[in-house]
Amino acid sequence: QKEVEQDPGPLSVPEGAIVSLNCTYSNSAFQYFMWYRQYSRKGPELLMYTYSSGNKEDGRFTAQVDKSSKYISLFIRDSQPSDSATYLCAMSGGPNSNYQLIWGAGTKLIIKP
Amino acid sequence: DADVTQTPRNRITKTGKRIMLECSQTKGHDRMYWYRQDPGLGLRLIYYSFDVKDINKGEISDGYSVSRQAQAKFSLSLESAIPNQTALYFCATSSPSSTDTQYFGPGTRLTVL
Repeated sequence: QKEVEQDPGPLSVPEGAIVSLNCTYSNSAFQYFMWYRQYSRKGPELLMYTYSSGNKEDGRFTAQVDKSSKYISLFIRDSQPSDSATYLCAMSGGPNSNYQLIWGAGTKLIIKP
Repeated sequence: DADVTQTPRNRITKTGKRIMLECSQTKGHDRMYWYRQDPGLGLRLIYYSFDVKDINKGEISDGYSVSRQAQAKFSLSLESAIPNQTALYFCATSSPSSTDTQYFGPGTRLTVL
């Protein structure tokens, strides 16, 4: 079993829909949780960062961490065609693990105009 | 100019050939990483370096070697390429901090025939 599980999709939704992307993990030592966005033929770029449990909002994006369930989510409101990309979750145990990131496989998201 | 550059962007080679992928960064970061990305497997860490004299194996280092020529340069070599090394390769950098955000290059698409 992988340390981080993520449904690879593809997930196809109409423009304007609310999108929910999720990852589950098994290592309770993870403290830092990230979502990266990767456009086709590009490198991943950091989208959201959360430390420990709770919610974080940035514009149309909300990241949610539930450490008790070992489950993280990324919500996209009012989705746009420009949001079409692969979304990768990543997490680490912080300084105790040299900040090494453990990655999900990525979910391909398609927003249909 | 891009902060993290990779050369070449695309490469096709034959089994048994030696290949070098190069990464340069202008971000002034001490930490550099090499990942490979395969469909359905996400990003897997090959090697990482926290400074010029500190190089560490990652999850999948067999068949690869690296050289940190300077703070800004980190090269990945395949001594004798094999077809299952066909993948997308990414270099990333980060600076020690509470977030340790990683910044990625555009990637090298390597095909081994």
